[in-house]
Amino acid sequence: QSVLTQPPSVSAAPGQKVTISCVGSTSNIGNNYVSWYQQLAGTAPKLLIFDNNRRPSGIPDRVSGSKSGTSATLDITGLQAGDEAHYYCATWDGSLTRMVFGGGTKLTVL
Amino acid sequence: HLVESGGGVVRPGESLRISCEASGFILGSYSMSWVRQVPGKGLEWVSGISSGSTSKYYAESVKGRFTISRDNADNSLYLEMNSLRPEDTALYYCARTTSYFDYIDYWGQGTLVTVSS
Repeated sequence: QSVLTQPPSVSAAPGQKVTISCVGSTSNIGNNYVSWYQQLAGTAPKLLIFDNNRRPSGIPDRVSGSKSGTSATLDITGLQAGDEAHYYCATWDGSLTRMVFGGGTKLTVL
Repeated sequence: HLVESGGGVVRPGESLRISCEASGFILGSYSMSWVRQVPGKGLEWVSGISSGSTSKYYAESVKGRFTISRDNADNSLYLEMNSLRPEDTALYYCARTTSYFDYIDYWGQGTLVTVSS
């Protein structure tokens, strides 16, 4: 059971928008920055969003993140076949004194 | 670049040390983490170490069995794993982390550790 809760799967058609949620608590998301990672099949994870809503260089602006209270959200608009992957949220948990990940969400582009 | 090494097949109860060599940046300027992934499953943060080794953190599942360390002069990160269990079988990633473990900005390709009798 992951400390951060994500939906196991989401799907949408090409060109559409998808939203992935990440629910935590005051000991983690409520008091720390959230980051998001994309993991394509057979590859290492890649940073998509850091500090709740900032994109590293090279990540397109159709990818965005937000945080409200103890929940965070990753939005991807203009879906492409290449977006099909697993997505993970993560943050620091002050009570557990460790980084925690969500269980991951598999995005399927229909 | 982060390149892990040292993975392999060991029996339950045995020990193994995996390493990570960094290049292209000064390891001593960053906190570092080990993250593992059972094939087909999600990511699990295993351990983290601050830039000067003053702070070390562990997942409950490995506390007391695993030890993280680093050699900044050698640009290397290590994970000493003792009393290995079958459930420790996973791909272990070396990961560059921000000072306060806010996020991971670079990942290695991983080294596979298999614990099986």
